[in-house]
Amino acid sequence: EIVMTQSPATLSVSPGESATLSCRASQSVSSNLAWYQQKPGQAPRLLIYSASTRAAGIPARFSGSGSGTEFTLTISSLQSEDFAVYYCQQYNNWRTFGQGTKVEIK
Amino acid sequence: QVQLQESGPGLVMPSQTLSRTCTVSGGSISSGSYYWSWIRQPTGKGLEWIGRVFTTGTTNYNPSLESRVTISLDTSKNQFSLKLSSVTAADTAVYYCVRGGNWFDTWGQGTLVTVSS
Repeated sequence: EIVMTQSPATLSVSPGESATLSCRASQSVSSNLAWYQQKPGQAPRLLIYSASTRAAGIPARFSGSGSGTEFTLTISSLQSEDFAVYYCQQYNNWRTFGQGTKVEIK
Repeated sequence: QVQLQESGPGLVMPSQTLSRTCTVSGGSISSGSYYWSWIRQPTGKGLEWIGRVFTTGTTNYNPSLESRVTISLDTSKNQFSLKLSSVTAADTAVYYCVRGGNWFDTWGQGTLVTVSS
């Protein structure tokens, strides 16, 4: 099983600032990586797939990068609605998720 | 716009079989090249992929759950279903039905299923 490790566990950011979230795979997943946003009481929402392709309707302030074992989700100019938990997920070998990074208001 | 709605018992006795059904609206479950998956999330914890079914009925399961899981398709009702046998308290979670087999682009609202006597 490929283990996905996200860091940090919690990120405190002020509105208007940018946030950088990291995701590391225990072995290469090529570019077979997705990112999701989850707010309390809601289902996750797909943000990014293929490591860097934004899903339909996702604002341009969300961007993904990386390949192999190291990936980054960057949220530029955080809006109030962006404070949530973010998960990475690999689909190179079965499907596994990271444990999540909570982005909270500083 | 495709929408997914889960249904089924919210309480299951230990050692019994958990059953969930997902009804798809706004599109045919058998059109296109889509997989349909189940994902679960224990309260306050992360996400776990359970398995998927293709429009042909072909299935793939998480190896850690494979011995207990069955996912099936009912194209006449535009539904797909999950059965998880021999449940324990560790199977208590919010269960989501989802469109996708690699990344997951459309999610049901999710329903808490509790395993308890």
